[in-house]
Amino acid sequence: EADIYQTPRYLVIGTGKKITLECSQTMGHDKMYWYQQDPGMELHLIHYSYGVNSTEKGDLSSESTVSRIRTEHFPLTLESARPSHTSQYLCASSEGGNQETQYFGPGTRLLVL
Amino acid sequence: GDSVTQMEGPVTLSEEAFLTINCTYTATGYPSLFWYVQYPGEGLQLLLKATKADDKGSNKGFEATYRKETTSFHLEKGSVQVSDSAVYFCALSDPNTNAGKSTFGDGTTLTVKP
Repeated sequence: EADIYQTPRYLVIGTGKKITLECSQTMGHDKMYWYQQDPGMELHLIHYSYGVNSTEKGDLSSESTVSRIRTEHFPLTLESARPSHTSQYLCASSEGGNQETQYFGPGTRLLVL
Repeated sequence: GDSVTQMEGPVTLSEEAFLTINCTYTATGYPSLFWYVQYPGEGLQLLLKATKADDKGSNKGFEATYRKETTSFHLEKGSVQVSDSAVYFCALSDPNTNAGKSTFGDGTTLTVKP
């Protein structure tokens, strides 16, 4: 079983608030990812990291930012939440090499009022 | 670039029915192919994978064969159960292209009725 954690699982906040979604993994994986999952269940890559101090924007433009100061930790921050940010956010990691299996956290369901 | 096209859902089956979810891909390199499953309220988890042509991945009664000639990786199960109700994602990953990121299909929702 994969060891990747996300907190909080559910979050309801008002417009304009700053929030940080936490993601941690204990597998020592270098690669980590953030996906936004819409109600139709499609996954959209919004950020990824290939190691400490490495972050890149994904295929879907997002107003969020990420940091990677430690291998195991990959938090996502929204400086000023808006209703359009309401979604499910999934964090994942992979060990790299030729396998590239991704291990997903349980997700954070965000509702911005 | 790389892409994955999977059968549109939702798919509704009776228990013990045969399941096929089609998946085709486009890739410039030689990708690994995956099926992930997402149960309600959870993240995705790997169901099975195949890393080269003609490989068959299998797990929990599900199987899929990597067909390079038809660029397909269809998911099958001979007899579905209510507990198989979930969203299924086909995906590919090629460490030599697209910086090794995974490309996912749009997901197919399966509902199995007793």
